[in-house]
Amino acid sequence: NAGVTQTPKFRILKIGQSMTLQCTQDMNHNYMYWYRQDPGMGLKLIYYSVGAGITDKGEVPNGYNVSRSTTEDFPLRLELAAPSQTSVYFCASSSAPSGTHGEQFFGPGTRLTVL
Amino acid sequence: SQKIEQNSEALNIQEGKTATLTCNYTNYSPAYLQWYRQDPGRGPVFLLLIRENEKEKRKERLKVTFDTTLKQSLFHITASQPADSATYLCALLYNFNKFYFGSGTKLNVKP
Repeated sequence: NAGVTQTPKFRILKIGQSMTLQCTQDMNHNYMYWYRQDPGMGLKLIYYSVGAGITDKGEVPNGYNVSRSTTEDFPLRLELAAPSQTSVYFCASSSAPSGTHGEQFFGPGTRLTVL
Repeated sequence: SQKIEQNSEALNIQEGKTATLTCNYTNYSPAYLQWYRQDPGRGPVFLLLIRENEKEKRKERLKVTFDTTLKQSLFHITASQPADSATYLCALLYNFNKFYFGSGTKLNVKP
């Protein structure tokens, strides 16, 4: 089991560029999440998905888009990158957030810098 | 939106002592509350979960309490070790699917 994998590990973007952050999990989890973590801060939920084809906004969705065509993959798209999107991005998955376990499994993160 | 407060100052304790970390929240109580450990440059790792109808949960040297009247959770590490040094995050679940995280408290356990 690889768990949750994210690519790339690091990326530098110029203002106005676009990119897709990849996230894959091999635990057959229905729930997947994207968070961003700014220095010294907690994680803020960007988008989440409760299953293939179903996504919803989190706390800070502006400037991002997601899709969920399969159970395994949950890519995050940044359009027109801005310096305010400089952050570390974490993807996570869970079998059932309000179920018996509910724990989230996190990927290693993608460190993004927008210059 | 929910406001979650964790002590932003680092907690420095001596090895062998009990570390107590605090998570306070405003507004209504979450369905449940989780505690995570995060090491530098890594993603958070799940430690414990406690539901709103539970007062206390234990796992080995870890204990978490949940007081919905005070709107507070306490996280204890007994017999702390230098290897316990990390940042500890609390996360609250609202509306079945949305998690809100605190900013974390850094714990330093000195030998």
